[in-house]
Amino acid sequence: DGGITQSPKYLFRKEGQNVTLSCEQNLNHDAMYWYRQDPGQGLRLIYYSQIVNDFQKGDIAEGYSVSREKKESFPLTVTSAQKNPTAFYLCASSQRTGASEQYFGPGTRLTVT
Amino acid sequence: AQSVTQPDIHITVSEGASLELRCNYSYGATPYLFWYVQSPGQGLQLLLKYFSGDTLVQGIKGFEAEFKRSQSSFNLRKPSVHWSDAAEYFCAVGPIQYGNKLVFGAGTILRVKS
Repeated sequence: DGGITQSPKYLFRKEGQNVTLSCEQNLNHDAMYWYRQDPGQGLRLIYYSQIVNDFQKGDIAEGYSVSREKKESFPLTVTSAQKNPTAFYLCASSQRTGASEQYFGPGTRLTVT
Repeated sequence: AQSVTQPDIHITVSEGASLELRCNYSYGATPYLFWYVQSPGQGLQLLLKYFSGDTLVQGIKGFEAEFKRSQSSFNLRKPSVHWSDAAEYFCAVGPIQYGNKLVFGAGTILRVKS
């Protein structure tokens, strides 16, 4: 079955540590996205990538980094510079052009203490 | 700037009653519009989408939505709510700039009482 996988489902880290969240898709989509979700704030775009080896900052990129070395994979690193990293993180993908919806993974809940 | 407003943070309806969730958007051209549903701790699932054509669109799980350009609205409706519909619902508009970026509303939490 085609879809998006995110791992792990739950992640716990100590303050000051970098952590990488995994996102893999087998939908053959060019575009991939990372969102952060906090209660009452909807989804806020962190980074997006339209094609391999290219990515752009979204609305809240500070303290995060990404890479896009393969079409299928778009890992997100939450760095120690992110002041409030505890949140629910969602990965999505879509076709790059034309009318297309985004498909979402199941999410990773990150807790930093 | 493009934006989406979902005026209701929480809505409670009785099982079997009708439902309407409101969505208003700001967008400079003809938008793509979406409704997604999210159960607690899960990802988002697409309920329905509007790209062009018929302004009344049908989705999964018995939901429908109507695009009203004059009111900049895309309200979600269901004639009879089931307890399993309790979830959070997000309206989204796009495409934003290049590609298929979306802007999401803050969400409406639906509670269903028996």
